[in-house]
Amino acid sequence: GAVVSQHPSRVICKSGTSVKIECRSLDFQATTMFWYRQFPKQSLMLMATSNEGSKATYEQGVEKDKFLINHASLTLSTLTVTSAHPEDSSFYICSAKPGDYLQETQYFGPGTRLLVL
Amino acid sequence: DAKTTQPPSMDCAEGRAANLPCNHSTISGNEYVYWYRQIHSQGPQYIIHGLKNNETNEMASLIITEDRKSSTLILPHATLRDTAVYYCIVRVMNAGNMLTFGGGTRLMVKP
Repeated sequence: GAVVSQHPSRVICKSGTSVKIECRSLDFQATTMFWYRQFPKQSLMLMATSNEGSKATYEQGVEKDKFLINHASLTLSTLTVTSAHPEDSSFYICSAKPGDYLQETQYFGPGTRLLVL
Repeated sequence: DAKTTQPPSMDCAEGRAANLPCNHSTISGNEYVYWYRQIHSQGPQYIIHGLKNNETNEMASLIITEDRKSSTLILPHATLRDTAVYYCIVRVMNAGNMLTFGGGTRLMVKP
């Protein structure tokens, strides 16, 4: 089946530093990847939609200069949290959608837990 | 995308069927019903989706009412590992669409 991986699974960083999270589709090509954020006891909130070879589309209220998204290939998207602050501590989850138009199912990664001290 | 309403929590005895309801009274004709679940501290997992007809796969069955205003996800023999938050999502089948997650139903399977 379709597998999506994320790296790292958890990261602790100091306030003011940048953190990069990788999302990979392991056995399919993903023309579209999505980045979500989930705070404790809350539902997933979409941050941005990433299309291979083009700029990401950010949801309202998400700072594109703070959350840098790069979808450089059909199997890899990265989210960089720049100048992280404690309020950025959250569970970051990516999902990937196969390139086949008829394949509508999205597959989610296991998530990355970020703790900013 | 149409809004969905789910009970915030449900309990189910291990080995029994878990029936999770979802109301989507404003669903339009080209919107599908999707179900995902999220086990604690993991990414969501796709379960099943359907348009009009009832659907069944190795994980669950999806029953959609004739007027499509509500649906039920059925886990035929719930196990402790089925304890999770279950999300019902309705959306147009479109190549670019993201998923919009509501509050979901927290299913607790008890021994």
